[in-house]
Amino acid sequence: QLQLQESGSGLVQPSQTLSLICGVSGGSVSSGGYSWSWIRQPPGKGLEWIGYIYHSGSTHYNPSLKSRVTISLDRSKNQFSLKLNSVTAADTAVYFCARVDYYYYGLDVWGQGTTVAVSS
Amino acid sequence: DIQMTQSPSSLSASVGDRVTITCRASQGIRNDLGWYQQKPGKAPKRLIYVASSLQPGVPSRFSGSGSGTEFTLTISSLRPEDFATYYCLQHNDYPWTFGQGTKVEIK
Repeated sequence: QLQLQESGSGLVQPSQTLSLICGVSGGSVSSGGYSWSWIRQPPGKGLEWIGYIYHSGSTHYNPSLKSRVTISLDRSKNQFSLKLNSVTAADTAVYFCARVDYYYYGLDVWGQGTTVAVSS
Repeated sequence: DIQMTQSPSSLSASVGDRVTITCRASQGIRNDLGWYQQKPGKAPKRLIYVASSLQPGVPSRFSGSGSGTEFTLTISSLRPEDFATYYCLQHNDYPWTFGQGTKVEIK
Protein backbone atom coordinates (compact mmCIF):
# COMPACT_ATOMS: atom_id res chain seq x y z
CA GLN A 1 0.00 0.00 0.00
CA LEU A 2 1.38 3.36 -1.03
CA GLN A 3 2.43 5.65 1.81
CA LEU A 4 3.79 9.19 1.74
CA GLN A 5 5.72 10.86 4.55
CA GLU A 6 6.75 14.51 4.71
CA SER A 7 9.92 15.61 6.48
CA GLY A 8 11.95 18.76 6.81
CA SER A 9 12.59 21.80 8.90
CA GLY A 10 9.69 22.87 11.10
CA LEU A 11 11.03 26.38 11.59
CA VAL A 12 12.35 28.67 8.86
CA GLN A 13 13.57 32.22 9.22
CA PRO A 14 11.97 34.97 7.14
CA SER A 15 13.59 35.48 3.73
CA GLN A 16 15.16 31.99 3.87
CA THR A 17 14.24 28.86 1.91
CA LEU A 18 11.71 26.28 3.08
CA SER A 19 12.77 22.75 2.12
CA LEU A 20 10.62 19.64 2.49
CA ILE A 21 10.92 16.06 1.32
CA CYS A 22 8.15 13.55 0.66
CA GLY A 23 9.34 9.97 1.04
CA VAL A 24 7.40 7.36 -0.92
CA SER A 25 7.02 3.75 0.22
CA GLY A 26 4.99 0.89 -1.21
CA GLY A 27 5.48 2.27 -4.72
CA SER A 28 7.91 4.09 -6.96
CA VAL A 29 7.96 7.73 -8.02
CA SER A 30 9.27 6.53 -11.39
CA SER A 31 6.67 3.92 -12.29
CA GLY A 32 3.10 3.93 -13.49
CA GLY A 33 3.14 7.41 -14.96
CA TYR A 34 2.02 9.04 -11.73
CA SER A 35 2.58 12.67 -10.79
CA TRP A 36 3.39 14.02 -7.35
CA SER A 37 1.98 17.12 -5.70
CA TRP A 38 2.32 19.56 -2.80
CA ILE A 39 -0.56 21.31 -1.03
CA ARG A 40 -0.55 23.59 1.99
CA GLN A 41 -2.99 24.77 4.64
CA PRO A 42 -2.37 27.89 6.76
CA PRO A 43 -3.53 27.63 10.38
CA GLY A 44 -7.32 27.62 10.58
CA LYS A 45 -7.71 28.12 6.83
CA GLY A 46 -8.44 26.17 3.68
CA LEU A 47 -6.29 24.21 1.26
CA GLU A 48 -4.03 25.68 -1.42
CA TRP A 49 -2.56 23.66 -4.29
CA ILE A 50 1.14 24.47 -4.74
CA GLY A 51 1.95 22.38 -7.81
CA TYR A 52 2.99 18.98 -9.07
CA ILE A 53 5.73 17.17 -10.94
CA TYR A 54 5.16 14.56 -13.60
CA HIS A 55 7.06 11.26 -13.51
CA SER A 56 8.98 12.71 -16.48
CA GLY A 57 10.16 15.67 -14.40
CA SER A 58 8.06 18.41 -15.97
CA THR A 59 6.10 20.60 -13.59
CA HIS A 60 2.97 22.68 -13.08
CA TYR A 61 3.00 25.40 -10.42
CA ASN A 62 0.41 27.70 -8.91
CA PRO A 63 1.10 31.12 -10.46
CA SER A 64 0.68 32.72 -7.04
CA LEU A 65 3.87 30.91 -5.95
CA LYS A 66 5.57 30.16 -9.25
CA SER A 67 8.42 32.65 -8.89
CA ARG A 68 9.44 31.12 -5.53
CA VAL A 69 8.72 27.40 -5.79
CA THR A 70 10.60 24.37 -7.11
CA ILE A 71 9.36 20.77 -7.03
CA SER A 72 11.83 18.06 -7.98
CA LEU A 73 12.11 14.26 -8.12
CA ASP A 74 14.88 12.11 -6.69
CA ARG A 75 14.38 8.69 -8.29
CA SER A 76 17.39 7.16 -6.56
CA LYS A 77 15.88 7.90 -3.14
CA ASN A 78 12.26 7.38 -4.22
CA GLN A 79 11.21 10.80 -3.01
CA PHE A 80 10.24 14.24 -4.23
CA SER A 81 10.87 17.62 -2.71
CA LEU A 82 9.56 21.15 -2.32
CA LYS A 83 11.63 24.29 -2.08
CA LEU A 84 10.01 27.67 -1.44
CA ASN A 85 12.34 30.63 -1.24
CA SER A 86 12.05 34.11 0.24
CA VAL A 87 9.51 32.94 2.80
CA THR A 88 7.41 35.22 4.99
CA ALA A 89 5.01 34.63 7.85
CA ALA A 90 2.28 34.08 5.24
CA ASP A 91 4.01 30.81 4.29
CA THR A 92 3.40 29.35 7.74
CA ALA A 93 1.23 26.31 7.14
CA VAL A 94 0.82 22.57 7.27
CA TYR A 95 2.37 21.21 4.09
CA PHE A 96 1.01 18.00 2.56
CA CYS A 97 2.41 15.86 -0.21
CA ALA A 98 0.08 13.75 -2.33
CA ARG A 99 -0.09 11.52 -5.39
CA VAL A 100 -1.97 12.65 -8.46
CA ASP A 101 -4.46 10.02 -9.65
CA TYR A 102 -3.09 8.75 -12.97
CA TYR A 103 -6.48 7.96 -14.52
CA TYR A 104 -8.82 10.57 -13.10
CA TYR A 105 -6.55 13.28 -11.77
CA GLY A 106 -7.22 14.79 -8.40
CA LEU A 107 -5.25 13.72 -5.33
CA ASP A 108 -5.82 10.13 -4.28
CA VAL A 109 -3.15 9.41 -1.65
CA TRP A 110 -1.93 11.95 0.90
CA GLY A 111 0.86 12.20 3.42
CA GLN A 112 0.01 13.10 7.00
CA GLY A 113 1.35 16.64 6.68
CA THR A 114 4.12 18.57 8.36
CA THR A 115 3.92 21.94 10.09
CA VAL A 116 6.26 24.70 9.00
CA ALA A 117 6.47 27.98 10.89
CA VAL A 118 8.21 31.03 9.48
CA SER A 119 9.59 33.08 12.32
CA SER A 120 12.78 34.72 13.51
CA ASP B 1 -8.16 31.11 -11.94
CA ILE B 2 -11.35 29.09 -11.57
CA GLN B 3 -13.12 30.07 -8.36
CA MET B 4 -14.86 27.32 -6.43
CA THR B 5 -17.61 28.55 -4.13
CA GLN B 6 -18.88 26.14 -1.52
CA SER B 7 -22.10 26.49 0.41
CA PRO B 8 -22.87 26.52 3.18
CA SER B 9 -19.58 27.37 4.90
CA SER B 10 -20.83 25.50 7.95
CA LEU B 11 -23.86 23.54 9.04
CA SER B 12 -25.20 21.86 12.15
CA ALA B 13 -26.86 18.49 11.75
CA SER B 14 -27.90 15.48 13.76
CA VAL B 15 -26.95 11.85 13.40
CA GLY B 16 -29.23 10.35 10.77
CA ASP B 17 -29.81 13.61 8.90
CA ARG B 18 -29.42 13.93 5.15
CA VAL B 19 -26.77 16.55 4.35
CA THR B 20 -26.09 18.28 1.05
CA ILE B 21 -23.09 20.48 0.27
CA THR B 22 -22.81 22.47 -2.96
CA CYS B 23 -19.80 23.61 -4.93
CA ARG B 24 -20.14 26.10 -7.81
CA ALA B 25 -17.40 26.75 -10.32
CA SER B 26 -16.85 30.17 -11.88
CA GLN B 27 -16.69 28.49 -15.30
CA GLY B 28 -17.51 25.07 -16.67
CA ILE B 29 -15.20 22.28 -15.50
CA ARG B 30 -16.95 19.25 -17.06
CA ASN B 31 -16.80 16.62 -14.30
CA ASP B 32 -13.21 17.38 -13.25
CA LEU B 33 -14.00 17.62 -9.55
CA GLY B 34 -13.36 15.66 -6.39
CA TRP B 35 -14.69 15.83 -2.84
CA TYR B 36 -12.44 15.49 0.22
CA GLN B 37 -13.09 14.99 3.92
CA GLN B 38 -10.71 16.42 6.51
CA LYS B 39 -10.80 15.76 10.23
CA PRO B 40 -8.90 17.98 12.69
CA GLY B 41 -5.17 17.40 12.60
CA LYS B 42 -5.43 14.93 9.73
CA ALA B 43 -4.79 14.94 6.02
CA PRO B 44 -7.71 15.24 3.61
CA LYS B 45 -9.16 11.98 2.33
CA ARG B 46 -10.76 11.68 -1.11
CA LEU B 47 -14.38 10.55 -1.04
CA ILE B 48 -15.53 11.18 -4.61
CA TYR B 49 -13.65 11.53 -7.91
CA VAL B 50 -14.79 12.80 -11.31
CA ALA B 51 -17.83 14.31 -9.61
CA SER B 52 -19.80 11.13 -8.95
CA SER B 53 -17.51 8.11 -8.59
CA LEU B 54 -17.13 6.71 -5.08
CA GLN B 55 -13.54 6.20 -3.92
CA PRO B 56 -12.99 2.51 -3.05
CA GLY B 57 -13.50 1.89 0.65
CA VAL B 58 -15.72 4.95 1.17
CA PRO B 59 -19.18 4.18 2.58
CA SER B 60 -22.07 4.25 0.12
CA ARG B 61 -23.91 6.91 2.17
CA PHE B 62 -21.63 9.38 0.41
CA SER B 63 -22.57 10.36 -3.14
CA GLY B 64 -21.68 13.08 -5.60
CA SER B 65 -23.44 14.58 -8.57
CA GLY B 66 -23.19 17.42 -11.04
CA SER B 67 -21.36 18.56 -14.11
CA GLY B 68 -20.31 21.85 -15.62
CA THR B 69 -20.56 24.49 -12.91
CA GLU B 70 -22.69 23.00 -10.12
CA PHE B 71 -21.84 20.00 -7.99
CA THR B 72 -23.22 18.43 -4.84
CA LEU B 73 -21.95 16.09 -2.16
CA THR B 74 -24.69 14.25 -0.28
CA ILE B 75 -24.44 12.24 2.90
CA SER B 76 -27.63 10.21 3.00
CA SER B 77 -27.64 9.49 6.73
CA LEU B 78 -25.08 11.30 8.84
CA ARG B 79 -22.99 9.20 11.20
CA PRO B 80 -20.88 10.42 14.15
CA GLU B 81 -17.64 9.82 12.23
CA ASP B 82 -18.80 12.13 9.41
CA PHE B 83 -18.43 15.31 11.46
CA ALA B 84 -15.57 16.99 9.61
CA THR B 85 -14.76 19.67 7.05
CA TYR B 86 -15.44 18.92 3.40
CA TYR B 87 -13.68 20.46 0.41
CA CYS B 88 -14.18 20.30 -3.32
CA LEU B 89 -11.19 20.44 -5.70
CA GLN B 90 -11.33 21.25 -9.40
CA HIS B 91 -8.60 19.86 -11.66
CA ASN B 92 -9.97 21.02 -14.99
CA ASP B 93 -7.56 23.92 -15.37
CA TYR B 94 -4.44 25.26 -13.74
CA PRO B 95 -4.06 26.28 -11.03
CA TRP B 96 -6.10 23.58 -9.36
CA THR B 97 -8.37 25.25 -6.82
CA PHE B 98 -10.23 24.14 -3.71
CA GLY B 99 -13.50 25.39 -2.35
CA GLN B 100 -13.23 27.21 0.96
CA GLY B 101 -14.62 24.27 2.90
CA THR B 102 -17.84 23.28 4.66
CA LYS B 103 -17.65 22.39 8.33
CA VAL B 104 -20.24 19.84 9.40
CA GLU B 105 -20.90 20.12 13.13
CA ILE B 106 -23.02 18.23 15.60
CA LYS B 107 -26.38 19.82 16.41
